[in-house]
Amino acid sequence: AQSVAQPEDQVNVAEGNPLTVKCTYSVSGNPYLFWYVQYPNRGLQFLLKYITGDNLVKGSYGFEAEFNKSQTSFHLKKPSALVSDSALYFCAVRDMSGGSYIPTFGRGTSLIVHP
Amino acid sequence: DAGVIQSPRHEVTEMGQEVTLRCKPISGHDYLFWYRQTMMRGLELLIYFNNNVPIDDSGMPEDRFSAKMPNASFSTLKIQPSEPRDSAVYFCASSLVQGHSVQYFGPGTRLTVT
Repeated sequence: AQSVAQPEDQVNVAEGNPLTVKCTYSVSGNPYLFWYVQYPNRGLQFLLKYITGDNLVKGSYGFEAEFNKSQTSFHLKKPSALVSDSALYFCAVRDMSGGSYIPTFGRGTSLIVHP
Repeated sequence: DAGVIQSPRHEVTEMGQEVTLRCKPISGHDYLFWYRQTMMRGLELLIYFNNNVPIDDSGMPEDRFSAKMPNASFSTLKIQPSEPRDSAVYFCASSLVQGHSVQYFGPGTRLTVT
């Protein structure tokens, strides 16, 4: 079975400060991990993914995420937040050894960047 | 490619009426997904298709919901009869067959049932 948790419903950060949106996962084997972003009144957009290799993954809009196998985490980070980063962020996981090709999405974390 | 196309973008209907939501996936994609998003329940997978065949419809809430994919370029999600609790944003997404493939989401249909 595969599952993902986003422990924070909302994250508040001041513009220019670093931001972190947390994600933890549970899989039987090794994971594929994804981050998506949803801006108001839009569909989800892909940000980045981890398949294998380097634990630090870089994605769109200056975002990056660090895969930590021992902590089963895949936190999303950005060194300097912008007001335009305010959106809903979803983490998703797919178990490489599972029978389903379908990822499981978290409940989402609302990121609010204050000017 | 124009991306995943959904229509209508907004739908307001009265309780008891039939509602049909439409989706055109990205050309060449093997998988098509229907999701529902609400504040209370977040993002829920309703059903998905692989090569036009429904694979898992366990997320479909009730028999009032049905989905079809008559060909590789078109899918519908139908609610009959509609109820106020069906009010939500419905997303269609498509992806390639690889396990680490990205899902590409449409803009969604905002459904309001009064």
